[in-house]
Amino acid sequence: GENVEQHPSTLSVQEGDSAVIKCTYSDSASNYFPWYKQELGKRPQLIIDIRSNVGEKKDQRIAVTLNKTAKHFSLHITETQPEDSAVYFCAASTSADGLTFGKGTHLIIQP
Amino acid sequence: EAQVTQNPRYLITVTGKKLTVTCSQNMNHEYMSWYRQDPGLGLRQIYYSMNVEVTDKGDVPEGYKVSRKEKRNFPLILESPSPNQTSLYFCASSLNPRNIQYFGAGTRLSVL
Repeated sequence: GENVEQHPSTLSVQEGDSAVIKCTYSDSASNYFPWYKQELGKRPQLIIDIRSNVGEKKDQRIAVTLNKTAKHFSLHITETQPEDSAVYFCAASTSADGLTFGKGTHLIIQP
Repeated sequence: EAQVTQNPRYLITVTGKKLTVTCSQNMNHEYMSWYRQDPGLGLRQIYYSMNVEVTDKGDVPEGYKVSRKEKRNFPLILESPSPNQTSLYFCASSLNPRNIQYFGAGTRLSVL
């Protein structure tokens, strides 16, 4: 089955700086790559996703890039703010199987 | 309001006592799944269901059962709970695995 590796496990950045979280996947058939944000004590919520026919997608301060050849995708957050502090999960899915999540990145925004 | 409802939210039980965690969605979604979340291990899929009467094992199915008799409900059954099943459980639903998943509020289970 699919295996998703996520790095780093913890990331601390100064408010206003950029944050980058990276994931790799193992199954070349995977074609859907969402990112979820989980605030403390809350449920995960989708923040952005990308499909395999697209190399990059942006939504305001958040962007995701996908390199299918390298089986690698990344989340980029610019101009970080205190409310960006959370755990972020990447995931990968084929059309037929369920969704496999990475182990998560705890993003800490330092004031 | 579109939502995924899990019950109970908190549960303390003892080893071997069968329990069921219910999950219901009102969005007419075909795809539903169960995850467990443990510190440092992220979200691991237990079981998923593509449609009524269709269920498949995820990455950590041992010790769990599910059923999908109706589209809206996807209960998680622990026939004989053990302490290593102490965890935070999330149910989720979506149109299919390649669409946004809506998570329930979570069920925190402690097995003594």
